Amino acid sequence: GAGVSQTPSNKVTEKGKYVELRCDPISGHTALYWYRQSLGQGPEFLIYFQGTGAADDSGLPNDRFFAVRPEGSVSTLKIQRTERGDSAVYLCASSPQSQATGELFFGEGSRLTVL
Amino acid sequence: AQTVTQSQPEMSVQEAETVTLSCTYDTSESDYYLFWYKQPPSRQMILVIRQEAYKQQNATENRFSVNFQKAAKSFSLKISDSQLGDAAMYFCAYRGGWTGNQFYFGTGTSLTVIP
Repeated sequence: GAGVSQTPSNKVTEKGKYVELRCDPISGHTALYWYRQSLGQGPEFLIYFQGTGAADDSGLPNDRFFAVRPEGSVSTLKIQRTERGDSAVYLCASSPQSQATGELFFGEGSRLTVL
Repeated sequence: AQTVTQSQPEMSVQEAETVTLSCTYDTSESDYYLFWYKQPPSRQMILVIRQEAYKQQNATENRFSVNFQKAAKSFSLKISDSQLGDAAMYFCAYRGGWTGNQFYFGTGTSLTVIP
């Protein structure tokens, strides 16, 4: 596609529920990133994929968070047993190559609200 | 981990005037990249300008320019001839040359442009 696409744009769920957030990166971009942005804060790194594999998942806060990218394109961020503290905007970004000197291309994010 | 500090939570500027947004960072690396991103209410992060640390010359993109002081670890953004469309959150970001998987973001500066 022309840009990074994220769905859903907004998601409201109840505490304890399971949530999936989807990211469709720019065609041909091999690197894909997930960030979390809480209100009034800058984006916080969660996980980075190079191709199909998670090259760096050091930012995932705990084992309730998991992400996959099975075919090296679309990625899904999965959150189990959601908590109110998980409420944030989840940003996805892609980049043409790993260790690139260039910028990340961001989607518009998925706003997650846990009631 | 590297840290990025933006000490100005909010700034305002009169239309057509010039404003400077501050950013400092902490790193032990000698090779790295610095970015300014703009985030309008639509939430999509858009690259404004990029600076490679090995380049002494300050980057310029039309009305946007930076003052990069490597020894002081300072990277400020100057917006000249401010326009109403410049109103947004601005984030300073750091990407390491050797640990380039992660972008580290500051907490952002909210810029208001007064007509």
